[in-house]
This record gives sequence, structure tokens and C-alpha cells, in this order.
Amino acid sequence: TQLLEQSPQFLSIQEGENLTVYCNSSSVFSSLQWYRQEPGEGPVLLVTVVTGGEVKKLKRLTFQFGDARKDSSLHITAAQPGDTGLYLCAGPTTNAGGTSYGKLTFGQGTILTVHP
Amino acid sequence: NAGVMQNPRHLVRRRGQEARLRCSPMKGHSHVYWYRQLPEEGLKFMVYLQKENIIDESGMPKERFSAEFPKEGPSILRIQQVVRGDSAAYFCASSPGGGYYGYTFGSGTRLTVV
Repeated sequence: TQLLEQSPQFLSIQEGENLTVYCNSSSVFSSLQWYRQEPGEGPVLLVTVVTGGEVKKLKRLTFQFGDARKDSSLHITAAQPGDTGLYLCAGPTTNAGGTSYGKLTFGQGTILTVHP
Repeated sequence: NAGVMQNPRHLVRRRGQEARLRCSPMKGHSHVYWYRQLPEEGLKFMVYLQKENIIDESGMPKERFSAEFPKEGPSILRIQQVVRGDSAAYFCASSPGGGYYGYTFGSGTRLTVV
């Protein structure tokens, strides 16, 4: 069973601080995705990383995929109250034969609160 | 907006009633996924469907729950004889192929069983 573990589970910081959220697994994933979810809404895809060692930037957000494709991190620079939300990592689940067929496994999420 | 449309947004059912949740995928997407979200538990996979086919229902409870994605019309998640433990947010997502590059989610249906 492929599992994704996120840390920390909760993060409460002041506006302007930097933070990093981690997503770890003992399994190799063909890709990893990051989503942000606001209360009362569905998750919104932020980024997909597909190559080991890949780094992608989205304004103040930097996403990294581990070299072995077992982990990923999300770093936010100068956090703002608008960054508040639930951050989820996810990866395609593979069947017993190692084929990925569409189902995603999600981490349990990191609840980020940025105070003004 | 041609995003994933779910309705109703909120649904209240009494114990023993049936709940029907609808999902229209994004235009051009033929793969539909249903997930359930409970506080403190994250998103749990329920079922993966393509048009007229159930690809994977390994996350669906064996009893009372069923899903379909007919040739015409939305995907339906049906919960018969609801119990209080079924109260949760149910999200539908769609993709043009498998989930390799990610899903587009709907806004969810919040089911409350009273």
C-alpha cells in the first residue's frame, strides 16, 4: 500500500514568515501533485512534479520532487494571510504490476494559518 | 465556467433515506473519481469510473453505496439507507486521462444525516 505522510499537520505563522511542508513516502511515485483547499471548497491543483530532482516555482511557492521520487516539499516565502488553507500532496497509485491507472493517493494534509 | 459541477452543494437526509449526489465532469474529461473527506482524515478514494464502466471501486463500502457514469448525463453516487456515519463531504474529480497530471475537483456535496 502506497502511503504519503505530510508534516507538519498544523502550522500557524505570522505574515511574512517562511515555511516548508513535507510529503514523504517509502514508495516511488511517478509524479506528485500539490493541492490547496479552502474551507467549503474542493482542492485546487497547484503543481505537478514528474522528474526526480525537479524544482518548480509558482510566485512565492517553490515545489521540489526528491531525487528518488519518494518525497516532495513545498516552500512558501513571505507567507500572506491569503495562503491560509489545507495543503495536500497526492500521487498516482500503482497496482500490483506497477502500472499507474489514474487513482490518486492523498496525504492527510497540512493546515496552514497565516496571521496578519 | 466548464469546471466540475457537483450538486447539490448541501444535502440533509434522515437516517434510512437515500442520498443521490451528482457530478458533471469538466468538458472533455472522461475519467471521474469520487472521494470522501472527513475532518482529521483527509481525502479517501471511493470509486473511479469511465463512461459506462467502473474501473476501480475498491474504496466503496460493499453495502448501500453504488456509483454510475452513464453514457449520457452526470455521474451519480448513490447511498441507500443513510446512517449518521455517512455524514461527510463528498468530492468528485475528473481528468482527461489517468491522474498522472492531476485532477480537477468540484466544490463538493456536504451530506448531513440527521
